[in-house]
Amino acid sequence: AQSVTQLGSHVSVSEGALVLLRCNYSSSVPPYLFWYVQYPNQGLQLLLKYTSAATLVKGINGFEAEFKKSETSFHLTKPSAHMSDAAEYFCAVSFSGSARQLTFGSGTQLTVLP
Amino acid sequence: DTAVSQTPKYLVTQMGNDKSIKCEQNLGHDTMYWYKQDSKKFLKIMFSYNNKELIINETVPNRFSPKSPDKAHLNLHINSLELGDSAVYFCASSSWTGDDTQYFGPGTRLTVL
Repeated sequence: AQSVTQLGSHVSVSEGALVLLRCNYSSSVPPYLFWYVQYPNQGLQLLLKYTSAATLVKGINGFEAEFKKSETSFHLTKPSAHMSDAAEYFCAVSFSGSARQLTFGSGTQLTVLP
Repeated sequence: DTAVSQTPKYLVTQMGNDKSIKCEQNLGHDTMYWYKQDSKKFLKIMFSYNNKELIINETVPNRFSPKSPDKAHLNLHINSLELGDSAVYFCASSSWTGDDTQYFGPGTRLTVL
């Protein structure tokens, strides 16, 4: 069965430090991969996505992610954290033949310390 | 010019009541979804409709009944509400022939007392 795992339910970084949020998936077929962000009391906003084009994907707000097939990973990074980055981040995956269903990871709460 | 909208944003009701949540999208998509987000923020798909046809129907109590009057609308009706139904419900939409990107509404926070 296909699945997605986010390592670390809570991540804290200092303002200006590197942000690294981890996502691993399991699949026997090439997946589409997504990162969404959820600010408090809001819906999910698409940060970036991998859909079998370039393996390094750039998204909004300075975030990027790299698809590594050999590691079955799609980690999210940002070189310098900002206070406004504090939010819940979700990795999601879809697979061909999945009726367009997204499977979400359990989420990572990012805290940015002053 | 909201892409995916939901009403109401907050819903507080008593156990046993029946309530509905409405969702509309103006993105021209043909596929719509309902998700439930629990208190631990875990997101679980409930239903998916493509061109008004039910595609995904996860293990959800039959007290929950989705209805899609047209491609732009997907409503969720809940009968005999229970305490465990308290959650945030998100509507989303996508294009069936696209890259599976889903666009989410702002959510409806349902509280059952």
